Amino acid sequence: AQKVTQAQTEISVVEKEDVTLDCVYETRDTTYYLFWYKQPPSGELVFLIRRNSFDEQNEISGRYSWNFQKSTSSFNFTITASQVVDSAVYFCALSEASAGGTSYGKLTFGQGTILTVHP
Amino acid sequence: NAGVTQTPKFRILKIGQSMTLQCTQDMNHNYMYWYRQDPGMGLKLIYYSVGAGITDKGEVPNGYNVSRSTTEDFPLRLELAAPSQTSVYFCASEGLENEQYFGPGTRLTVT
Repeated sequence: AQKVTQAQTEISVVEKEDVTLDCVYETRDTTYYLFWYKQPPSGELVFLIRRNSFDEQNEISGRYSWNFQKSTSSFNFTITASQVVDSAVYFCALSEASAGGTSYGKLTFGQGTILTVHP
Repeated sequence: NAGVTQTPKFRILKIGQSMTLQCTQDMNHNYMYWYRQDPGMGLKLIYYSVGAGITDKGEVPNGYNVSRSTTEDFPLRLELAAPSQTSVYFCASEGLENEQYFGPGTRLTVT
């Protein structure tokens, strides 16, 4: 069975600090997909990134960066120079791949990390 | 595009009542999903559909039913509501890069 663990329940930082959100996953599949979603106080879920299991290249998008390490089954998310608008619940998720190698989209979510950025 | 829309936004049900949560997407996506989110928890998959006329169970399907008669609509039916079904329900559809677009959610309370 697949499992996603976000050990940090809550993180509190002051604006402009860097913060890393941890995600550790378990799967027996050799092909799988990892995702991060953001849930701001308004409640909707916003897609941030998808990474497949064959691509261990780190990715940077503005102040966001992701570090995928298969050896430790981790997919960590770093926000550089955090801002108040980054305050949200962040979810890491995992999905299996079909025989054709594409994601089924049946996501297994972690419990989420509540990030609070203080001014 | 409106994206994924859900109605109602809030609902209070009495134990044993039934209701249908509506979900519509206008992006012509084949894959659609229903999740529930309990307080302080991640989302759990209830049902999913890979196209009109095709549905399948997710992780927590008991007490729910779905149908998919069109590409756009994916309603979730609760029969005989129970307090354990108090939750926030999210509908989602899947884009070409496997990203899921979520609706705003329906907050359901069963008392």
